[in-house]
Amino acid sequence: DGGITQSPKYLFRKEGQNVTLSCEQNLNHDAMYWYRQDPGQGLRLIYYSQIVNDFQKGDIAEGYSVSREKKESFPLTVTSAQKNPTAFYLCASSWQAVETQYFGPGTRLLVL
Amino acid sequence: KNQVEQSPQSLIILEGKNCTLQCNYTVSPFSNLRWYKQDTGRGPVSLTIMTFSENTKSNGRYTATLDADTKQSSLHITASQLSDSASYICVVGLRGLDGNKLVFGAGTILRVKS
Repeated sequence: DGGITQSPKYLFRKEGQNVTLSCEQNLNHDAMYWYRQDPGQGLRLIYYSQIVNDFQKGDIAEGYSVSREKKESFPLTVTSAQKNPTAFYLCASSWQAVETQYFGPGTRLLVL
Repeated sequence: KNQVEQSPQSLIILEGKNCTLQCNYTVSPFSNLRWYKQDTGRGPVSLTIMTFSENTKSNGRYTATLDADTKQSSLHITASQLSDSASYICVVGLRGLDGNKLVFGAGTILRVKS
């Protein structure tokens, strides 16, 4: 898992609630990413950021939001607009966009 | 469409045996190919990365091959151990006009039995 931490390990969301997943890295990486993993599917990119105060939508950004106020931190908010949020969420970071990505341990989000 | 297909979906082998996992891709323009190992409930960990000009790379008991002409890669595990039980994910990098991107396969779930 390198120097990337995610919290919490498990998160429960109630109907209509926004929840925020934390991702912190101490590797001095410029780029950070959020992926969603569902059973039997490859990881899908939600959002990514290559520099502080800038981020780009990935393939499935609808219902999610992010911020990158600090180089070390890239929190992901799952909003009430995301109708199927149950999944395993993985945060990753790398020095540059084409370099090997280092993944955090993941957060499993469940809906009550 | 950029896609990465892995086979088999799952595999069970006896401890000490060898196995080979396959990855076919239709990603273009190709940049590199990586294999990751993901333990259950954990984040993926990089095993190997190969560029267009490399056709084999080893990491201990793991050996990856790449045939850029046929767009195929394989991951060979030698003398398997119980700790090799995990999902193995093939990831292909592409250089697009709007930036670089990774395309992930769904993974092969390997179970090593004693």
